[in-house]
Amino acid sequence: AQSVTQLGSHVSVSEGALVLLRCNYSSSVPPYLFWYVQYPNQGLQLLLKYTSAATLVKGINGFEAEFKKSETSFHLTKPSAHMSDAAEYFCAVSDRPSGTYKYIFGTGTRLKVLA
Amino acid sequence: DAGVTQSPTHLIKTRGQHVTLRCSPISGHKSVSWYQQVLGQGPQFIFQYYEKEERGRGNFPDRFSARQFPNYSSELNVNALLLGDSALYLCASSLSATNEKLFFGSGTQLSVL
Repeated sequence: AQSVTQLGSHVSVSEGALVLLRCNYSSSVPPYLFWYVQYPNQGLQLLLKYTSAATLVKGINGFEAEFKKSETSFHLTKPSAHMSDAAEYFCAVSDRPSGTYKYIFGTGTRLKVLA
Repeated sequence: DAGVTQSPTHLIKTRGQHVTLRCSPISGHKSVSWYQQVLGQGPQFIFQYYEKEERGRGNFPDRFSARQFPNYSSELNVNALLLGDSALYLCASSLSATNEKLFFGSGTQLSVL
């Protein structure tokens, strides 16, 4: 069965510093992997997705993630944090039983950006 | 174009009551999925519907049911509410049942007292 593990439920960075949010996956088939962001009292917004093309995936708002099969990881990075990046971030892996599609989400990482 | 819309945005119920949550997908999307997000956790899959048929069901009790209408909108029903049903209920739509790109609504915050 597919699963994801997000290391660190809370991460704090200074404005302008590197953002690194960690995600490890477990999948019996080549995975589709996703990062979503959730701002307070809002739904989920797709940041980026990996669907077996390029291993380095660029997303919106300057975020990118690298798929590393050998490490079963899909960590999210951004070179320079902005105050507006403060939110909760979820890693997800797709579970694609025949004829349907569902995501398995991690427990989330809350990013705090310090001025 | 309008995104995924959910109603109501907030709801307060008492234990044992019944609740109906509604979702309108993005125009042209034929698949609707429902997720439950308990405070402090990631969303958990409840149902997927495509062309009015249930295509997938998560590990939720039979108190949870859903349906999809000919215009592709959807309802999630929960009977005999428990305190533990308090959560943000998210609806997501996609073009088809096997399309990997989900678009989420802002959710319905359900509080069970």
